[in-house]
Amino acid sequence: DIQMTQSPSSVSASVRDRVTITCRASQHISSWLAWYQQKPGKAPQVLIYAASSLQSGVPSRFSGSGSGTDFTLTISSLQPEDVATYYCQQTNSFPWTFGQGTKVEIK
Amino acid sequence: QVQLQESGPGLVKPSETLSLTCSVSGGSVSSGSYYWSWIRQPPGKGLEWIGYMYYTGSTNYNPSLKSRVTISGDTSKNQLSLKLTSVTAGDTAMYYCARVRDSNDWYRVDYWGQGTLVTVSS
Repeated sequence: DIQMTQSPSSVSASVRDRVTITCRASQHISSWLAWYQQKPGKAPQVLIYAASSLQSGVPSRFSGSGSGTDFTLTISSLQPEDVATYYCQQTNSFPWTFGQGTKVEIK
Repeated sequence: QVQLQESGPGLVKPSETLSLTCSVSGGSVSSGSYYWSWIRQPPGKGLEWIGYMYYTGSTNYNPSLKSRVTISGDTSKNQLSLKLTSVTAGDTAMYYCARVRDSNDWYRVDYWGQGTLVTVSS
């Protein structure tokens, strides 16, 4: 299985701060990387797919970058509604695997 | 609008079989090049892909669960089902049903059920 490692495991930032989450794959996955947002008590929702493509309806303050083994999710200006846990997921090979999650909170 | 609704017992005894159903509306489990999937999340932990049924009926399971899992579809009821045998406390989790788009859409999940919590306990 491909292991996905996220950092940090949690981040606390102020409203309008820039937040960056990184994800590293244990092997090359090209751009087969998605980012999901999970709010408490809810199912995850896709934010980014193909490493950098923004899902329709997702605010433009979210962006993704990277390819190969190293990826980044950036929230350019943190908003209160962005409090959630964020997961990266690889779909390069089955079993599709997720990172352990990064919890984003407001300071 | 596609909607997915999981249902099944919330409590299962150790060594027994966990059985869940996902009712699909607004789409068909037998068409459209989708991978109909089950994903689980233990309380306070991360996400684990259990497996999927392609719209053709073919299946693929996570090797870590393969010996215990069966995913199948009922086209007459437009439902997806999950059976997990010989459960232990480690199988306690929120179980999600999800629709996954095909490789042209990078296998992203576009619809999720709300999830159903299954607790394994005597």
